[in-house]
Amino acid sequence: KAGVTQTPRYLIKTRGQQVTLSCSPISGHRSVSWYQQTPGQGLQFLFEYFSETQRNKGNFPGRFSGRQFSNSRSEMNVSTLELGDSALYLCASSGISGRAEYQETQYFGPGTRLLVL
Amino acid sequence: AQTVTQSQPEMSVQEAETVTLSCTYDTSENNYYLFWYKQPPSRQMILVIRQEAYKQQNATENRFSVNFQKAAKSFSLKISDSQLGDTAMYFCAFMKRESGGGADGLTFGKGTHLIIQP
Repeated sequence: KAGVTQTPRYLIKTRGQQVTLSCSPISGHRSVSWYQQTPGQGLQFLFEYFSETQRNKGNFPGRFSGRQFSNSRSEMNVSTLELGDSALYLCASSGISGRAEYQETQYFGPGTRLLVL
Repeated sequence: AQTVTQSQPEMSVQEAETVTLSCTYDTSENNYYLFWYKQPPSRQMILVIRQEAYKQQNATENRFSVNFQKAAKSFSLKISDSQLGDTAMYFCAFMKRESGGGADGLTFGKGTHLIIQP
């Protein structure tokens, strides 16, 4: 079974631009979560989507937004990019797939590395 | 809010040795999960092991096992017969259990960089 996929893998943008990242979850998973990883702040939770609805949100400004489609694929958007948005953005999915007791375990994609110049 | 603390920024052991990584957490929740993830140089985050808080039995996965002490809020990872491929950043993570299913956000520790020497 295919794992979580993220596109693009690498991205270079300039300050003030906006960016959209995409995540396709493991087949059958309906929950998609997004995380930001930076050397200074570590791994931080951005938000989680389940059945096209944002259920949980971390402590990030409104410039960070997301959405989920009916096929569970998710996109994350960052508007008015700042230098501090340079990071590895990780997507994770969870749901009923395989062992039922593992449905709440999050499985991660390879990440999108964003560099803001 | 939950916090996760990993007090060992870096550890180095010889191949085939046993190593234990420490993790403590703070929460007022009673129903939660704990995880260890590894992140090798490829940056792919890989699940190592998981533990449900309501289970007293410590989880094991092949060479990986945990020592879960709920009262002490401690969750250490033991790697037996360490291999060169175990070299990676190891993150301890906490997740509150949602009554409706699905996933709450993971709270991660800062990580421990484990180096396995040949």
